[in-house]
Amino acid sequence: DAGVTQSPTHLIKTRGQQVTLRCSPKSGHDTVSWYQQALGQGPQFIFQYYEEEERQRGNFPDRFSGHQFPNYSSELNVNALLLGDSALYLCASSLDGLVDIQYFGAGTRLSVL
Amino acid sequence: QQQVKQSPQSLIVQKGGIPIINCAYENTAFDYFPWYQQFPGKGPALLIAIRPDVSEKKEGRFTISFNKSAKQFSLHIMDSQPGDSATYFCAASFGNEKLTFGTGTRLTIIP
Repeated sequence: DAGVTQSPTHLIKTRGQQVTLRCSPKSGHDTVSWYQQALGQGPQFIFQYYEEEERQRGNFPDRFSGHQFPNYSSELNVNALLLGDSALYLCASSLDGLVDIQYFGAGTRLSVL
Repeated sequence: QQQVKQSPQSLIVQKGGIPIINCAYENTAFDYFPWYQQFPGKGPALLIAIRPDVSEKKEGRFTISFNKSAKQFSLHIMDSQPGDSATYFCAASFGNEKLTFGTGTRLTIIP
């Protein structure tokens, strides 16, 4: 049983560009949450998708957007990249948004130059 | 706004010792307090969690102590091993809302 898978593993972009990160949830899970983890910091909640709708959102600007597909996979899009967007982006999946059965992927390391 | 404060930032303990990591929270509505373990290049993995109706929970070598009146909770690792060397994060949430994480503790267990 595959866990949460994220792609790509690493990504290098330049300021002003746009990026799309992808996440496939653990089998049987229907909810996907995205977190940003800056170097040396704890993960910070970006948003959560359930039934293809954004259900919760953290304190991130509109440059951060997402999408969930009918197969529950999800994308995180970041527009107009800033140097400060460099971080590890984590995807977590769960069933019906239950936080106590939330599984994290290994993340996508984004570097903005 | 940091709602979960974690200390210490780093910790070095000899094998067999008992590292203790502490967290304090502000939001009294929080009702779920997990600890996550993260190895380099990996995502956080749930280690143990507690709800505020109990003051202590043990799972194997890991124990959470919870003090509701002080709004604090801590992780104890019994008989620590070099394989426990990792970064540990406390977190909190209410209802089934987002997890709010602490800033992490880098734990090193020396042989």
